[in-house]
Amino acid sequence: GAVVSQHPSWVICKSGTSVKIECRSLDFQATTMFWYRQFPKQSLMLMATSNEGSKATYEQGVEKDKFLINHASLTLSTLTVTSAHPEDSSFYICSAREPMGGAQETQYFGPGTRLLVL
Amino acid sequence: QQPVQSPQAVILREGEDAVINCSSSKALYSVHWYRQKHGEAPVFLMILLKGGEQKGHEKISASFNEKKQQSSLYLTASQLSYSGTYFCGTRKSGSRLTFGEGTQLTVNP
Repeated sequence: GAVVSQHPSWVICKSGTSVKIECRSLDFQATTMFWYRQFPKQSLMLMATSNEGSKATYEQGVEKDKFLINHASLTLSTLTVTSAHPEDSSFYICSAREPMGGAQETQYFGPGTRLLVL
Repeated sequence: QQPVQSPQAVILREGEDAVINCSSSKALYSVHWYRQKHGEAPVFLMILLKGGEQKGHEKISASFNEKKQQSSLYLTASQLSYSGTYFCGTRKSGSRLTFGEGTQLTVNP
């Protein structure tokens, strides 16, 4: 299967700081990447869809000024959590869609980033 | 709309079988199954396309009944390594994946 990397794998920061998370597709070009947030024992909550060369599409209730997404190339998308607060602490996972075309397309997940805001 | 998974949790002894179901109220284009181990990201297992197909890999297989808008994941002779949370993701034509709440599977020795 396709490989997606994510960095950092975990980060601890002080309240009010900004944190940048990188997501890379290593062996394929991903025009579309997705950012999820997951709380313990819960499902994957889609935050936004990141499209290469255009603005991200945010899900209802997700603040776009709080969670900045940039998809600058076909292999890299970044999520920046601005002015992080303790309630932003969570497991953030990116996913990239492998462009096989049509029904065969699926998504591969990065290893996730655990964010703890103190 | 989020697919519905059942059961929410299942506990097995090593060697036992399990079935996890995933159903949707909307017509589906494809169903994608993932397994997530504690503290890790989901790992892709398989994709099923409309047409009533079945797939399998070793002792894990799945079926997709598009008329019933339902997919089932079959785990045969379960191993300890099968423990984790299983998510189904459903996709309508041209849209993104929507994930169910997950089924927590525990395999004990």
